[in-house]
Amino acid sequence: EVQLEQSGAEVKKPGESLKISCKGSGYSFSFYRIVWVRQMPGKGLEWMGTIYPGDSETTYSPSFQGQVTISADKSVSTAYLQWTSLKASDTAMYYCARRGPVDVFDYWGRGTQVTVAS
Amino acid sequence: SSELTQDPAVSVALGQTVRITCRGDSLRTYYPSWYQQKPGQAPVLVVYGKNNRPSGIPDRFSGSSSGDTASLTITGAQAEDEGDFYCNSRDSSGHHVVFGGGTKLTVL
Repeated sequence: EVQLEQSGAEVKKPGESLKISCKGSGYSFSFYRIVWVRQMPGKGLEWMGTIYPGDSETTYSPSFQGQVTISADKSVSTAYLQWTSLKASDTAMYYCARRGPVDVFDYWGRGTQVTVAS
Repeated sequence: SSELTQDPAVSVALGQTVRITCRGDSLRTYYPSWYQQKPGQAPVLVVYGKNNRPSGIPDRFSGSSSGDTASLTITGAQAEDEGDFYCNSRDSSGHHVVFGGGTKLTVL
């Protein structure tokens, strides 16, 4: 069974750093792209970027380029999303999803809630 | 254009048919996929490609496309179909992913 297990909720202060994770299981993690999607409170889905774990090739949304870093470690079947200096506006739910064989997001993690407040 | 446009909200009487639309230039080139999100839950893929459903998705969900407009149709809407629906595709360049703004479906 394909599963994406995301790390737990985080509460951080502005300016702090953070790295959240998404661990895949039940499939060959290296061969399927992982996407990160932001959902701000009461708002819609926003694509942040995509990584191919096999070679860590990454594509960022222009809206998020330079704001976050997406990485992956295929040896532990895990993708990551990180910030070096959080802002209050980073408060959101963050989902990872697998891009399946037909270019759709066929499996999703349950999401990681990130709250940034002083 | 890299945008996908959806109506913010749609309602349907129980058991009736509803169509949720998504418009964007990139839909002339790429088929969309559709996701349903219920409150407090992650999105779930319901329709993709020309008109395909993942295993476990009821056949009352169907998809269609013409020109720059794609539609998700629910034939015989049920109470459990309430939620937010998002369309998704590549942008016109093909390099980036875009989501529509979402449509909130209410079943009356």
